[in-house]
Amino acid sequence: DTGVSQDPRHKITKRGQNVTFRCDPISEHNRLYWYRQTLGQGPEFLTYFQNEAQLEKSRLLSDRFSAERPKGSFSTLEIQRTEQGDSAMYLCASSPTVATGELFFGEGSRLTVL
Amino acid sequence: TQLLEQSPQFLSIQEGENLTVYCNSSSVFSSLQWYRQEPGEGPVLLVTVVTGGEVKKLKRLTFQFGDARKDSSLHITAAQPGDTGLYLCAGRSRGSQGNLIFGKGTKLSVKP
Repeated sequence: DTGVSQDPRHKITKRGQNVTFRCDPISEHNRLYWYRQTLGQGPEFLTYFQNEAQLEKSRLLSDRFSAERPKGSFSTLEIQRTEQGDSAMYLCASSPTVATGELFFGEGSRLTVL
Repeated sequence: TQLLEQSPQFLSIQEGENLTVYCNSSSVFSSLQWYRQEPGEGPVLLVTVVTGGEVKKLKRLTFQFGDARKDSSLHITAAQPGDTGLYLCAGRSRGSQGNLIFGKGTKLSVKP
């Protein structure tokens, strides 16, 4: 399977704990995106990488959130001191560097903060 | 802030009916995409439209990009239960290579 993979698929944690999600993009794609989706809403943009450079961050990405893509391949999204409002599906997508930039999404990591 | 508004928010129809869903904005987009998402999965790209007035067909699905590149529509002919899902439109403004903005989606249910 050469699609975008995310791990873990589900995470249940207690408020105040830290969580980390991993995304492995399609190997030949140099762009990688993180989105957050809550029930009944469309995906909300969090951040985007071109290779290892983080080029854009949403205002939604508070200081408790950090994303990295150290070697321009896989990426991690860490949430520190989780809050109940962080409960959501965290989606990763990758795309090639073309003007229309179609995104190929993974299946997402669902976070539940108790 | 650029917004994409989708309507209707929910749509429940019988198999065989036709339907149209809309995606509107006050902003101009260099391209617009439609995705379908099923529960527990990530969105899957259906089509990209780039040129104002462009019409693309994908089997029973017809996509149109407005002349002014501010709106789009998706028409499904003879809907089938397999068409059930969340339909999302997403746009990228001119000169932007990053942020792809999504609408809230239209949740379609096709009953047999």
